[in-house]
Amino acid sequence: AQSVTQPDIHITVSEGASLELRCNYSYGATPYLFWYVQSPGQGLQLLLKYFSGDTLVQGIKGFEAEFKRSQSSFNLRKPSVHWSDAAEYFCAVVRSNDYKLSFGAGTTVTVRA
Amino acid sequence: DAGVTQSPTHLIKTRGQQVTLRCSPKSGHDTVSWYQQALGQGPQFIFQYYEEEERQRGNFPDRFSGHQFPNYSSELNVNALLLGDSALYLCASSGTPNTEAFFGQGTRLTVV
Repeated sequence: AQSVTQPDIHITVSEGASLELRCNYSYGATPYLFWYVQSPGQGLQLLLKYFSGDTLVQGIKGFEAEFKRSQSSFNLRKPSVHWSDAAEYFCAVVRSNDYKLSFGAGTTVTVRA
Repeated sequence: DAGVTQSPTHLIKTRGQQVTLRCSPKSGHDTVSWYQQALGQGPQFIFQYYEEEERQRGNFPDRFSGHQFPNYSSELNVNALLLGDSALYLCASSGTPNTEAFFGQGTRLTVV
């Protein structure tokens, strides 16, 4: 069975503090990996993606993610969170012989002043 | 570049009715996918269209159908609406398979 797991349903972080969102996948081979962000009532915006190569990828808005093959993980990080980072974050994967994005259930990030 | 555009943004339908949602892909993209996002959940893949053909389908009943036009725009049709069809419907376009998908703002469908 294929699945994407985001263990944290909700994370609250203080403005200026660091943020890490977890994502694990269960596929036999390394899929293509993505992180999307969604503001309330809006569509999804791509933060970053990993296809191959350097396992630390940089994205927009100061986000980065690290692919760890041994842990089947693709965790998202930001060193210093801004109030505008409050949103829903989704990890998604595409298998190499597939076309569809499979999403995790999402993590809601709340930023407190 | 207008990005991916969807219409309408919101609509309300009655149980048993039929609905058509529309999507125009990002300029230069020829592949369109549709996703259903229920409240509090991640998007679920409905189907993908490429070269006017349904290339892949997710686990959705035949009440969900689609079409892609020669200009790559696409429609999602849902027949015999159920209350459970209430959701945000997202359209995504991409240039080639398995590259990054760009999403529209979605259509919020409410079935009453």
